[in-house]
Amino acid sequence: EVQLVESGGGLVQPGGSLRLSCAASGFTFSTYWMHWVRQAPGKGLVWVSRINSDGTGTNYADSVKGRFTISRDNAKNTVYLQMNSLRVEDTAVYYCTKDGPKWSFDYWGQGTLVTVSS
Amino acid sequence: DIQMTQSPSSLSASVGDRVTITCRASQSISSYLNWYQQKPGKAPKLLIYDASSLQSGVPSRFSGSGSGTDFTLNISSLQPEDFATYYCQQSHSTLRTFGQGTKVEVK
Repeated sequence: EVQLVESGGGLVQPGGSLRLSCAASGFTFSTYWMHWVRQAPGKGLVWVSRINSDGTGTNYADSVKGRFTISRDNAKNTVYLQMNSLRVEDTAVYYCTKDGPKWSFDYWGQGTLVTVSS
Repeated sequence: DIQMTQSPSSLSASVGDRVTITCRASQSISSYLNWYQQKPGKAPKLLIYDASSLQSGVPSRFSGSGSGTDFTLNISSLQPEDFATYYCQQSHSTLRTFGQGTKVEVK
């Protein structure tokens, strides 16, 4: 059974940092691209970042470029999102998801809430 | 970036109704269009990928169509468990983008 379990969310002050983790199981992690998607309270889904299967290729939404860094450890079946210079508008539930058929997102984690507030 | 526009933003329907949601891409995305369902407090669930392919385990009352820039999600006979928010998403570009969502509410 495929499982994606996020952790690391919490309350942080503006300008602070946080690292999210997503532990994967039930599939061959090292062969799939992984993504982070976020959802601000009461708002829609926003794609944040992706990393290719061996970690050599990454992309970011303009809103987080230069502040967030995605990485992965295939030995630990884990993908990370390092978030620096956090802003109030980064407040959201952050979901980890994997590429599925035709690059859809076929499995999602339960999400972890990040709250940026003073 | 490819922009995705859904319509309507919300709709009211009754059990048994046929429901249609549309999604338009700002440029051609071939058939790289996916549909998700999200219920409050839950992660999204993949319904349709590649514009018209039904994800395993998804009821056949859900169907998708379209190619290029215009796409449609149909629910043939709305069931109580289908009241939710639906999102389209393009996977043509590495920078994946979602539509703004369509909330299907009880009439």
